Amino acid sequence: EADIYQTPRYLVIGTGKKITLECSQTMGHDKMYWYQQDPGMELHLIHYSYGVNSTEKGDLSSESTVSRIRTEHFPLTLESARPSHTSQYLCASGQVTEQFFGPGTRLTVL
Amino acid sequence: KNEVEQSPQNLTAQEGEFITINCSYSVGISALHWLQQHPGGGIVSLFMLSSGKKKHGRLIATINIQEKHSSLHITASHPRDSAVYICAVPNSGGGADGLTFGKGTHLIIQP
Repeated sequence: EADIYQTPRYLVIGTGKKITLECSQTMGHDKMYWYQQDPGMELHLIHYSYGVNSTEKGDLSSESTVSRIRTEHFPLTLESARPSHTSQYLCASGQVTEQFFGPGTRLTVL
Repeated sequence: KNEVEQSPQNLTAQEGEFITINCSYSVGISALHWLQQHPGGGIVSLFMLSSGKKKHGRLIATINIQEKHSSLHITASHPRDSAVYICAVPNSGGGADGLTFGKGTHLIIQP
C-alpha cells in the first residue's frame, strides 16, 4: 500500500478564503505531482516538483501555488478561493513509470 | 502533447461477463498506466506496462507499442469491479513531467 497522504479529504469553504491542501509521502520520492480533476472530467497536471526547492507548473494553468521545503511534503495553496476552484485535487509521487496516488481532497467553494 | 482516447466512455454489464476497455494514444511512449478510481475519488494504480501483457488476478492488461494501443480486460466481472478505469501515459514532447490521462471508462457491473 502506498504511503502518500492528503488532508483534508473533504473541504467546503466560502469564497475568498485562503486554503492549503496538504500532501505528504514517506517513500523518499524526489518527484511529486499535483493533479486536478473537475467534476466529470479527466485529470490534469497542475504542478510538479523534482525535489526540495523545485516547483514547476503543469499542463493546466492553475491559480494555486505549491512549495517544496522538505522532500516528504508538497502543499498546495489557494490564496483566495473561488467557486471555479471547486474540484478534486490529487497528489502523487514517484516516477512517470510508477506513480503512487494519494486519496485526494475534494474541494467545494461556495 | 500525447492525446489519449479511451473507449467505451460508459459500460454496463452483467456479473460474470468478460469486459474489455480500450486505450489509444498518439505519441510513442515508454510505459502506460491503467488506474482505477472509485466513487470516493481515490486512485489505485492497477498496471504499468511497456510491452506485452500483464495479469493480476482477474485483470489482464495488454499493450501493442507499434499500434499505440492498450486494452484492459476483466474476466468473470463482479459488482465490486464497478469503478472508473483510466488510461494514462507519460507527458512527452518536451512538455511538463507527469502523466496525461484519458477521460476514463465508467464501468457498472450489475448483479
